[in-house]
Amino acid sequence: QKEVEQNSGPLSVPEGAIASLNCTYSDRVSQSFFWYRQYSGKSPELIMSIYSNGDKEDGRFTAQLNKASQYVSLLIRDSQPSDSATYLCAVNIRGSQGNLIFGKGTKLSVKP
Amino acid sequence: DGGITQSPKYLFRKEGQNVTLSCEQNLNHDAMYWYRQDPGQGLRLIYYSQIVNDFQKGDIAEGYSVSREKKESFPLTVTSAQKNPTAFYLCASRGLAGSLGYNEQFFGPGTRLTVL
Repeated sequence: QKEVEQNSGPLSVPEGAIASLNCTYSDRVSQSFFWYRQYSGKSPELIMSIYSNGDKEDGRFTAQLNKASQYVSLLIRDSQPSDSATYLCAVNIRGSQGNLIFGKGTKLSVKP
Repeated sequence: DGGITQSPKYLFRKEGQNVTLSCEQNLNHDAMYWYRQDPGQGLRLIYYSQIVNDFQKGDIAEGYSVSREKKESFPLTVTSAQKNPTAFYLCASRGLAGSLGYNEQFFGPGTRLTVL
């Protein structure tokens, strides 16, 4: 059974701090990795995609991928109260026809 | 505006009724998906379709049915055989094979179904 694991949290950080969200996956042939943000009562919104080892930066967000260790992380710099949401990690496995496996999400709370 | 629409936003069903949830996209995406989300749970795949007139069961297809007669539309029927249908239902679509970001899925706003 291919799995994606996330710490459910809640992860609480003060405003302006760096929030670090982690995700591990079980299948070594995973190819594509995604982070979605989901506000309470809303649908998931894609915020980052990463396909190769290393870091990918987009504004205050940085995704980090380490395929050898089978983890992907999301860093949020200068965290704002508006970043308070649940963050879902999703993984695409080669040969799965583009289907994604989702983690259960980490709830982030940014305190003013 | 390009995007994915779902209707209705809220739906109430009596026990024993079938209900159909609508999902429409104007992104020219080939693939479409239906997920179910329960409180504190991740997304679970119900059905997916890679192409018109073809669809496959996901992990929790029992009690659900779909059709894909048009590229833009992928309705989901929740039948009376689904024992615990109260949940948040999410439709997603994925871009063209070979395009940049091929595996990226984008979600509609969701339908919240409650069984009375």
